[in-house]
Amino acid sequence: DAGITQSPRHKVTETGTPVTLRCHQTENHRYMYWYRQDPGHGLRLIHYSYGVKDTDKGEVSDGYSVSRSKTEDFLLTLESATSSQTSVYFCAIKGSLDWQFVKYFGPGTRLTVL
Amino acid sequence: RKEVEQDPGPFNVPEGATVAFNCTYSNSASQSFFWYRQDCRKEPKLLMSVYSSGNEDGRFTAQLNRASQYISLLIRDSKLSDSATYLCVVNIPSNTGKLIFGQGTTLQVKP
Repeated sequence: DAGITQSPRHKVTETGTPVTLRCHQTENHRYMYWYRQDPGHGLRLIHYSYGVKDTDKGEVSDGYSVSRSKTEDFLLTLESATSSQTSVYFCAIKGSLDWQFVKYFGPGTRLTVL
Repeated sequence: RKEVEQDPGPFNVPEGATVAFNCTYSNSASQSFFWYRQDCRKEPKLLMSVYSSGNEDGRFTAQLNRASQYISLLIRDSKLSDSATYLCVVNIPSNTGKLIFGQGTTLQVKP
């Protein structure tokens, strides 16, 4: 158990509304990530953070912003939700296994944009 | 060409069968390789690392062929509880620990 929680776990919203998803971790990990998972695409990196106030874009960052004001919390915001952002969103932290970096995931948030 | 490619399946096998999944990757500089398991509507979970010499964890065996840029996962004596999607994961060398996830191979073990 990597000590990661996500909220909300499920959300239905309407096109054009702002949405914020929260990821919370209890183990003081420096790196945190937001992914989305869609059929036919697998897991794709949206944004990641390498410390408080330090964030960078992933491969599918358009339409998303993030913030990290505390080590334990990483927020993902959809400024104006669109139907193409209907997806399952996973937060992850970077851990280590032997000499390698691995990812441990939170339980996911299922977002539907109508 | 996708950075990590897997046969999506589904693979439908009877209990007790041996099943093998394959994965190819495009970045020859990759150094770390993993298999993750994802149950329906759950998060991906690390199953095992894949080492050059091959490694085994109970009924699961992972193999790496660097020359062919090919990774495999063998499951022996399949159980109903092995039914899941198996994700092949490869690193992109960087200091941020970037991992590329395959789309996954779905396994359904039937009684």
